[in-house]
Amino acid sequence: GESVGLHLPTLSVQEGDNSIINCAYSNSASDYFIWYKQESGKGPQFIIDIRSNMDKRQGQRVTVLLNKTVKHLSLQIAATQPGDSAVYFCAEKGYGQNFVFGPGTRLSVLP
Amino acid sequence: NAGVMQNPRHLVRRRGQEARLRCSPVKGHSHVYWYRQLPEEGLKFMVYLQKENIIDESGMPKERFSAEFPKEGPSILRIQQVVRGDSAAYFCASSQSESYSYEQYFGPGTRLTVT
Repeated sequence: GESVGLHLPTLSVQEGDNSIINCAYSNSASDYFIWYKQESGKGPQFIIDIRSNMDKRQGQRVTVLLNKTVKHLSLQIAATQPGDSAVYFCAEKGYGQNFVFGPGTRLSVLP
Repeated sequence: NAGVMQNPRHLVRRRGQEARLRCSPVKGHSHVYWYRQLPEEGLKFMVYLQKENIIDESGMPKERFSAEFPKEGPSILRIQQVVRGDSAAYFCASSQSESYSYEQYFGPGTRLTVT
């Protein structure tokens, strides 16, 4: 079946450094991926998405990289700020309209 | 959260009672999704609805759980005869259409505690 997982459950970075959060997926037929940010007590917030016909997509301070060969997705956050502290989920579009979420990585930004 | 409203935010029920969770999507959105999240875990898809129709309920338990999205009013996720294992955060998301981006806007969630 489909599964989406993360290599690192927790990540601590110094404020101002770049963060890289990784995600592995198992369904090679998946054609769409999203990164979400979830702060404590809140719902997930869309960060950036990417389709399988792209290798890279950039947003404001964030970049998503997709490596279809090894079924790997990463989220890069430039100049990490305290407000970036949250749990980050990758999600893979499943069959139909539902999404398969990974277990999440907790990002902790150190002062 | 782009305007998705969920209520109540916190709900406590004793075993055997019914839980009714409400979700008002972003104005103009006709697609609603329900997800369940256990502590320290990712979201698990439950059901996808369009106005008056259930499109995909493959993630929803066959017994005790039901969902609706009437022509007027919020979407409702109903859990009958709740058990302790139903304790979780339930999130609703909405989207405008089956668009290129598939972007789903999430509500703040309802945290259900079964005692």
